[in-house]
Amino acid sequence: AQKITQTQPGMFVQEKEAVTLDCTYDTSDPSYGLFWYKQPSSGEMIFLIYQGSYDQQNATEGRYSLNFQKARKSANLVISASQLGDSAMYFCAMREPSFYNKLIFGAGTRLAVHP
Amino acid sequence: DTAVSQTPKYLVTQMGNDKSIKCEQNLGHDTMYWYKQDSKKFLKIMFSYNNKELIINETVPNRFSPKSPDKAHLNLHINSLELGDSAVYFCASSRASGRDRGETQYFGPGTRLLVL
Repeated sequence: AQKITQTQPGMFVQEKEAVTLDCTYDTSDPSYGLFWYKQPSSGEMIFLIYQGSYDQQNATEGRYSLNFQKARKSANLVISASQLGDSAMYFCAMREPSFYNKLIFGAGTRLAVHP
Repeated sequence: DTAVSQTPKYLVTQMGNDKSIKCEQNLGHDTMYWYKQDSKKFLKIMFSYNNKELIINETVPNRFSPKSPDKAHLNLHINSLELGDSAVYFCASSRASGRDRGETQYFGPGTRLLVL
């Protein structure tokens, strides 16, 4: 069974608008970490944002915020004021509980920002 | 200034050859990883070392052998390359495994391997 699900293979958004990329996860461990990475067309993997399962507040990093809904097991990435440079693949990942920091990745969402 | 570096960036080789990919991190991290990204962009962990000790060894053909001479370096050697080994291989590093932000993994630029 998939532990990380990203249901949107592709999304597009108008420049300067906000966009939400969905991610749901599955674990029975109370302690886990959730991550979002960006992969532009140049291929590198860029860390964006982290949310720990015990964090009381939703994580924010500049224009990125994580809408963490623990009961629903969702960790959606919100990008505000989209820029053309935000066009990329976005991956949600979960630290596999009790497995030495092993990351399990979702299939990714390709975001296209239109001018 | 590069935090996690990999060499080579591109590798084109023939089936049956043996090749190595090198990874170095200057972040002072204790843990390093190898991931494989296939043609559909799916990322999967292969190996992880913590302070030169192998701690994650996924179901990977034993043609793949990681080696960590010290905690700043993690190399990946592949014997008898096959067409299906064509992929992007990412190295990553993090502080020692912990249940906080320190577990964030930082990735190298990737090595694009093409087996002909």
